[in-house]
Amino acid sequence: GAGVSQSPSNKVTEKGKDVELRCDPISGHTALYWYRQSLGQGLEFLIYFQGNSAPDKSGLPSDRFSAERTGGSVSTLTIQRTQQEDSAVYLCASSISSGLGNTIYFGEGSWLTVV
Amino acid sequence: RKEVEQDPGPFNVPEGATVAFNCTYSNSASQSFFWYRQDCRKEPKLLMSVYSSGNEDGRFTAQLNRASQYISLLIRDSKLSDSATYLCVGVTGGGNKLTFGTGTQLKVEL
Repeated sequence: GAGVSQSPSNKVTEKGKDVELRCDPISGHTALYWYRQSLGQGLEFLIYFQGNSAPDKSGLPSDRFSAERTGGSVSTLTIQRTQQEDSAVYLCASSISSGLGNTIYFGEGSWLTVV
Repeated sequence: RKEVEQDPGPFNVPEGATVAFNCTYSNSASQSFFWYRQDCRKEPKLLMSVYSSGNEDGRFTAQLNRASQYISLLIRDSKLSDSATYLCVGVTGGGNKLTFGTGTQLKVEL
């Protein structure tokens, strides 16, 4: 596609359920990022992929969070046993590579509400 | 202390005014910087890169002061359409990690 595509765009889930968020980066982009933004807050770095490997997963808030990327393309972010504090918009971004100065492009986000 | 700090605002300015935002960073290893714009309930979009020599794009001017560890964004002749949140971004780790400030909200009014 022309841009970064994320699904679902909106998800309401019950506390304790698992959710899976998907990101389809711009074709040919090797670097992929996941960020989280809570209401009225800044962007919080979660994890970064270069190809299929994740050199930096330092931002994952707990072991309930995991992410993978296959085929150097699509990535999924999985949140197990969701909690209310997980409610946020989860933004995926990609760039052609991870070098300095490369523009990163964001998807429209997956809005997660845990009730 | 946050790695990238911004005044959250809001900055309420009349149309046509000049407005300036500053952003400070604590990680001296930060290698490059950007300003992103984020509209309400939308994803961030790149506004411009920030260079030590200054970077101008139309009504927008960005500046980096490494000695004082701050980045600035100047908007001249502000338009209603400039109303948004402006995010300061520092890049470390060889370009792998982008650290966002919490953003400065701008409201341009008639």
